[in-house]
Amino acid sequence: QVQLVQSGAEVKKPGSSVKVSCKASGGTFSSYAISWVRQAPGQGLEWMGGIIPILGIANYAQKFQGRVTITADKSTSTAYMELSSLRSEDTAVYYCARTGSYGEVDYWGQGTLVTVSS
Amino acid sequence: SYELTQPLSVSVALGQTARITCGGNNIGSKNVHWYQQKPGQAPVLVIYRDSNRPSGIPERFSGSNSGNTATLTISRAQAGDEADYYCQVWDSSTLFGGGTKLTVL
Repeated sequence: QVQLVQSGAEVKKPGSSVKVSCKASGGTFSSYAISWVRQAPGQGLEWMGGIIPILGIANYAQKFQGRVTITADKSTSTAYMELSSLRSEDTAVYYCARTGSYGEVDYWGQGTLVTVSS
Repeated sequence: SYELTQPLSVSVALGQTARITCGGNNIGSKNVHWYQQKPGQAPVLVIYRDSNRPSGIPERFSGSNSGNTATLTISRAQAGDEADYYCQVWDSSTLFGGGTKLTVL
């Protein structure tokens, strides 16, 4: 059974950065894309970007270009999402998600709450 | 940029059929996926590629996609179907609809 286990909740100051990890088990990590999706309190789902670990190529939503970096370590089956220049509007639950060939997400991490507050 | 439009809310009587729409320009040419999300939980894929059900999803959930509208249909609605539902498409990037809150009366 595929599992995506994310790192724990974070509290950050405005202007700082946060790095969230997502460790995969039970599947072929490199063969699928890993997407990062966030959800602000009471809001909808927002795609931030994704990576195909076997290729090491990431693409990002235009909104986050220059502020987000997504990487993957095939040796540990772990993906990372780093978001910089944090502001209060970045307070959200961040999910990693295994993404299939047609963009469908079949497995989700448990979510990581990132709170940005002074 | 491409946009997906969902109604904010849909209500359905217990045991009746709910239909949740997702509008987009020529969305019928794209692969549409649907997710169910209950409070405090991660989303769950309920329909992929317009009309396919993942293993474990009841047959009561079905999907269609044509023209400018994709539709998620939930037959014989149950109290447990109350949730937010999101459509999603993927082109060169992923886009989610704004979400629809389904209320079962």
